[in-house]
Amino acid sequence: EVQLVDSGGGLVQPGGSLRLSCAGAGFTFSDYAMSWVRQAPGKGLERVSTITDTGRALYADSVKGRFTISRDTSTNTLYLQMDSLRAEDTALYYCAKAATGTYSIFEDWGQGTLVTVSS
Amino acid sequence: EIVMTQSPATLSVSPGERATLSCRASQSLSTNLAWYQQKPGQAPRLLIYGASTRATGVPARFSGSGSGVDFTLSISSLQPEDFAVYHCQQYSNWPPAFGQGTKVEI
Repeated sequence: EVQLVDSGGGLVQPGGSLRLSCAGAGFTFSDYAMSWVRQAPGKGLERVSTITDTGRALYADSVKGRFTISRDTSTNTLYLQMDSLRAEDTALYYCAKAATGTYSIFEDWGQGTLVTVSS
Repeated sequence: EIVMTQSPATLSVSPGERATLSCRASQSLSTNLAWYQQKPGQAPRLLIYGASTRATGVPARFSGSGSGVDFTLSISSLQPEDFAVYHCQQYSNWPPAFGQGTKVEI
């Protein structure tokens, strides 16, 4: 059974940094694309960043240059380093595993970790 | 970027009735469309991909249809556990994009 556990969220001031983690189990991490998808309060879903099975990093325009996605395949952990945070980055952040052979069909999800950017 | 528009924003139905949700894309997707269900306080759950293929474990009362720009998610005979928000998502072009969601309520 696939399990994804998100952590690392919290309250941070504008301009600050935070690193999110997603611990995966039940699958071979390097075989799948992994993404971070966020949901601002009362809003829809937004894909923030993806790391492909081959390790290529892809970003939404809204976070390009500020966020960095990475993974540690030895520990099955996905990361999202978030720098220069803004109020509009406030959201619940989910990690999501893609379906086999795809980048963007989000087959399994973590429980989410809340990021609040406020002074 | 492709823009996804869902309608209606809220759908009020009674248990046992049929619900029909719509999703429209700003350009053709072929059948590269997925549907997700999200209950309060929970992460989204994949229901449908390829516009009409049910994900593992999804009950047969959920069905998807459509191609090109217009898509439909139908839920026959709504069960109490089906009251939730439903999101459509295109994965035809990069970046993937979601609609704003349809809330199915009693």
